[in-house]
Amino acid sequence: SYVLTQPPSVSVAPGKTARITCGGNNIGSKSVHWYQQKPGQAPVLVIYYDSDRPSGIPERFSGSNSGNTATLTISRVEAGDEADYYCQVWDSSKVVFGGGTKLTVL
Amino acid sequence: QVQLVQSGAEVKKPGASVKVSCKASGYTFTGYYMHWVRQAPGQGLEWMGWINPNSGGTNYAQKFQGRVTMTRDTSISTAYMELSRLRSDDTAVYYCARDNCTNGVCYVVYWGQGTLVTVSS
Repeated sequence: SYVLTQPPSVSVAPGKTARITCGGNNIGSKSVHWYQQKPGQAPVLVIYYDSDRPSGIPERFSGSNSGNTATLTISRVEAGDEADYYCQVWDSSKVVFGGGTKLTVL
Repeated sequence: QVQLVQSGAEVKKPGASVKVSCKASGYTFTGYYMHWVRQAPGQGLEWMGWINPNSGGTNYAQKFQGRVTMTRDTSISTAYMELSRLRSDDTAVYYCARDNCTNGVCYVVYWGQGTLVTVSS
């Protein structure tokens, strides 16, 4: 089965740029979706099809995908961006999630 | 607007079964797959499977094959997830989630509020 690998944690100072990676075998050939989850809440879709943003998601959130790595980039990080982030792909008619990355805003 | 409203928290003993419901509104229930995702305390998201509300067809994660059953009642726009032979490590928040698919690629757009299932003797 397909495996997605994320770093357990990423730390960033307010106003700086956070990059969260999602590794997978030839992931660039798949569409990657990203979710944000804050404590006690259901996940929220922040990026779909590698780089599209749902309505209501700030332009500070962007995504890219190439080769064996997809990346979620959060520019001008704010305290409210502190959350867990999960990548997801669709593989053989099944949903696959990465293990999640905890973003800490210093 | 799309809403997914799940049934309330459950406490079960090991070996028992649990059935969680998810009532959908704000869209055509039979038009989108419904997924079930769980999250154990302090852990990540774990996909369990999906049901096609139109046909009743299902696709389960291998880990849950033989223990999970997903069904639906189209007359009341409700999906169900039943997990049997519960163990303590099944303690988790269970989410239903509606997808969106284009060109055969799917992602989850809408999530229920989650149902906490606690398995304890």
